[in-house]
Amino acid sequence: AQSVTQPDIHITVSEGASLELRCNYSYGATPYLFWYVQSPGQGLQLLLKYFSGDTLVQGIKGFEAEFKRSQSSFNLRKPSVHWSDAAEYFCAVGGINTGNQFYFGTGTSLTVIP
Amino acid sequence: DTAVSQTPKYLVTQMGNDKSIKCEQNLGHDTMYWYKQDSKKFLKIMFSYNNKELIINETVPNRFSPKSPDKAHLNLHINSLELGDSAVYFCASSQLGDGYTFGSGTRLTVV
Repeated sequence: AQSVTQPDIHITVSEGASLELRCNYSYGATPYLFWYVQSPGQGLQLLLKYFSGDTLVQGIKGFEAEFKRSQSSFNLRKPSVHWSDAAEYFCAVGGINTGNQFYFGTGTSLTVIP
Repeated sequence: DTAVSQTPKYLVTQMGNDKSIKCEQNLGHDTMYWYKQDSKKFLKIMFSYNNKELIINETVPNRFSPKSPDKAHLNLHINSLELGDSAVYFCASSQLGDGYTFGSGTRLTVV
């Protein structure tokens, strides 16, 4: 069965500090992996995606993520967090095998303190 | 030139009423979706639909029904609304093998 686990419900970091949000997935084939960000009262915006190739992918707003097949992980990172990064972050897995239906994790809420 | 647009943004209605949420995409995508986000932010797929196939999440009550007049529209009809239907509903679209583009959501409150 397809599933996504985001172990951290809530993370607090200081502005300027580095950030890593964890994501583990279960998928029966080569997965497509995504990170989305949701600001309060807003829809979901795609940060980055992995389909194949280079396992380190760069996204918008200075985010990157690394696909590790052996660990079934796709962790999101940012070297220096800005106050505007405070939001809810969702990891998702999907692909052709599931008719392009994506399965989302439960989200990680990020608080940035000055 | 919004890519995926939903209307209304807010919807407050009484129990037992029937309501619809509209969704339109101008991206030329083949597939559209409806997701429900509950109060704990959990996103659950309700439907996916393209020209050929409607896939329904089996846990969705049959009071919910998608209606697609054409490839660019996927509306959500809800009959006999219940308190538990209160949530944020997101429409999304994609091409097969690509990521989703989401609408900004419709916050439904049933009183």
